[in-house]
Amino acid sequence: EIVLTQSPATLSVSPGERATLSCRASQSISSNLAWYQQKPGQAPRLLIYGASTRAAGIPARFSGSGSGTEFTLTISSLQSEDFAVYYCQQYNNWPPITFGQGTRLEIK
Amino acid sequence: QLQLQESGPGLVKPSETLSLTCTVSGGSIISSNYYWDWIRQPPGKGLEWIGSVYYSGSTDYNPSLKSRVTISVDTSKNQFSLKLSSVTAADTAVYYCARRGVAAVPGYDYWGQGTLVTVSS
Repeated sequence: EIVLTQSPATLSVSPGERATLSCRASQSISSNLAWYQQKPGQAPRLLIYGASTRAAGIPARFSGSGSGTEFTLTISSLQSEDFAVYYCQQYNNWPPITFGQGTRLEIK
Repeated sequence: QLQLQESGPGLVKPSETLSLTCTVSGGSIISSNYYWDWIRQPPGKGLEWIGSVYYSGSTDYNPSLKSRVTISVDTSKNQFSLKLSSVTAADTAVYYCARRGVAAVPGYDYWGQGTLVTVSS
């Protein structure tokens, strides 16, 4: 099973600043990684797939990078609606599909 | 616009079987381009993949749940279903159904709203 480890667990950033979230895989997953945003009481929302391709309707301030075992989600200029929990997910080696434990992005 | 909607009991007794159905509207479940998955999230915790079904009926399950899980598809009703047997309090969670692309968009691009299932006597 591929284990995804996200860091940090909680990230405090001021609006307008840049946020950088990390996801590390326990073994190489090529670029087969997706990122999701989840707000309280809502289903997750797909942001990025293929490690760096934005999903339909996702603002350009969201970008993904990385391959192999190290991945990054960057939000270039935080808006109030971006404060949420973010999850990475791998689909390279499955079953099982696995998710990271999440990073909570909070207002500083 | 594709929509997914979970339905089923919100309360299940320990040792019984949890049964949920996901109804897909606005598009056909018969497509070679997608898997139809169940994912759960215990209160305040992260996401756990339960399993997948393809329109042909082919399934894959999380090894950690495989002995208790059955996922099936009913193409005539545009639905897929989850059965989880011998439930305990640890199975209390919000259960989501979601669509996952096979190739073009391999992430979960459509989700149901989620349904909370509580296991309690």
